[in-house]
Parts: sequence; C-alpha cells; structure tokens
Amino acid sequence: DTGVSQNPRHKITKRGQNVTFRCDPISEHNRLYWYRQTLGQGPEFLTYFQNEAQLEKSRLLSDRFSAERPKGSFSTLEIQRTEQGDSAMYLCASSSRRDPTNEQFFGPGTRLTVL
Amino acid sequence: ILNVEQSPQSLHVQEGDSTNFTCSFPSSNFYALHWYRWETAKSPEALFVMTLNGDEKKKGRISATLNTKEGYSYLYIKGSQPEDSATYLCAFRWAGSYQLTFGKGTKLSVIP
Repeated sequence: DTGVSQNPRHKITKRGQNVTFRCDPISEHNRLYWYRQTLGQGPEFLTYFQNEAQLEKSRLLSDRFSAERPKGSFSTLEIQRTEQGDSAMYLCASSSRRDPTNEQFFGPGTRLTVL
Repeated sequence: ILNVEQSPQSLHVQEGDSTNFTCSFPSSNFYALHWYRWETAKSPEALFVMTLNGDEKKKGRISATLNTKEGYSYLYIKGSQPEDSATYLCAFRWAGSYQLTFGKGTKLSVIP
C-alpha cells in the first residue's frame, strides 16, 4: 500500500494524559498536513510542513499541541495534557511539489477519545 | 475568516436517481477548489481539483463544475448507486497558502 498511513487508528485516553500520533506520507511527497475534524464539522487545518520545516500553523494549534517532521519523512503530532475538547478525528495528508494543483492525499485518520 | 458552505447538509435518493450538491466559497483570492468523497472508516478520496473559472471535470458518473467569479461549484452524480453513499466534501484553497478550508460536507445516502 503506497497511500498515507496513520497510527494508531483509535486512541482512548484519560483527561490530562499525553498522546502522540504518527503519520507516514506517500514516499515521494515533500509536503505534509495535519487536520482535525470534530463532530458535525469539516476538517480544519492545523499545520503544514514542507520537508522538515513547519511553514504554517493554525490558531487552533494551542501550546499543548506540537508537531514535528524531523527527517522530512514521517510526522508526529503530540497533544499534552489532553482535554475532552480534544476528542476528534486527526487527519494527515501529503502532496507533491511536482503537482501544480497540490492535490492532497489523506490517510484514514486517528480517532481520539478523551474521557 | 473564510466561509465554505455546502448544501444540502444531507440527502437521501433512490438508486438510479441523479443528484447534485452545491459548494460556495469566497470569490476573491481564489487558487483552487477540491472535492473529496469520504466513506465511513476510510480515507477521504480525492475526486477533483479545479483551478480555472468554467472548469468542468468528470470521473465516471461524477462530474463537477466551477464558477470562480460568483464563488460556487456543483457536484453531479448521474444514476446514483448504493456505493455512492458517502460524505462529499469541498475545500477551498486561496492564493498564497497550501492549507485547505473545508465545508461541512453533504452526506449522501442512496437507497437500493
């Protein structure tokens, strides 16, 4: 499978705990994105990497959230001191600099439930 | 604040019916309009990316049109099948950014 993969697919945690999600983009894609979808809403942009550089960050990305892409390949999204409001589907996408339309290909997401 | 609106919110059609949905978006600073199909427990699937006013794209029974001057796009499905049941999302990309701003989606249910 050469698509975008995300792990874990589901995560249940207690309020106050830290969680980390991983995204593996399509191998030749240098751009990587994180989005979050809450119930009844469309996906909302969180952050964007070009190679290892984090170039855009949403106001939604509070100081409890941190994303990294250390070698320009996979990325991790960490949420510290989780709150119930963090419960959502976290989606990762990637795109290629060679594609002028910058079509973004999505993974299946990680569903986070904070109890 | 960018508003991307989709209508209707949900739709039930009989197998074989044709249907269409609307996506409205800001008409200024436009770069691209994306359509995705998202089935439960799967990845959102890219359907179309449209960049030019008047663009029309087609993939099998699904087609889309784009009007950037008035800020809307239509998605059409001809002869709906049960496997078309999904949430259809549109997303706007403005010039100068790589992020997508999504609508809330239209949930389509095709009744056999």
